[in-house]
Amino acid sequence: EAQLVESGGGLVQPGGSLRLSCTGSGFTFNFYNMNWVRQAPGKGLEWVAYISSDDRPRYNVDAVKGRFTISRDNERNSVYLQMDRLRGDDTAIYYCAKAGYCTGDTCYWEVFDLWGHGTMVTVSS
Amino acid sequence: QSVLTQPPSVSAAPGQEVTISCSGSSSNIGSNYVSWYRHLPGTAPKVVIYDTDKRPSGIPDRFSGSKSGASATLGITGLETGDEAHYYCGTWDSSPSAWVFGGGTKLTVL
Repeated sequence: EAQLVESGGGLVQPGGSLRLSCTGSGFTFNFYNMNWVRQAPGKGLEWVAYISSDDRPRYNVDAVKGRFTISRDNERNSVYLQMDRLRGDDTAIYYCAKAGYCTGDTCYWEVFDLWGHGTMVTVSS
Repeated sequence: QSVLTQPPSVSAAPGQEVTISCSGSSSNIGSNYVSWYRHLPGTAPKVVIYDTDKRPSGIPDRFSGSKSGASATLGITGLETGDEAHYYCGTWDSSPSAWVFGGGTKLTVL
């Protein structure tokens, strides 16, 4: 069964750093683009970052540009989110999401078809 | 404020049908495929519609998706209490290059 498992969340002070990890299993990890999506308390889903299957291109939402960096290690079936200069409004559950649904001989890329259960990040003094 | 606009809530009785709208622009819904996600707090979101109008394996045909211009719609017929959740639309926005979600719609089955 395909699954994604996030780790690395926790409590961090404003201005601090945290590195999230997401490990995939049950599918060919290096074939798929990967994303991070977050949900702040009481808010909706917000896409954070994207990384292509072979590492480039990468995209970020404007709110995290210059502070967050997405990366991946296909040998370890893992994607990461390095979060620096954290702020209070970064407090959220962070989900890892696989992009691409393949059925038969066709793959559809504009969909997040597998999500992890999330890891909580709290930025507070 | 989200790039894609959804109603905050919709409700209907069991057995009835409901539609959830998602309004965007030419750079997102107008030129890309739309997907819809079901989300319960504390759980992993789940895709219910992809490629605007297709259902993944395991999603019943009570769920449907459509698009007209820069607006998309999720339809659910034969409502069940188990359908209660938050539903989000999502798509790629070509300008800037970013994925965008709607603000989410809370479905209540009365």
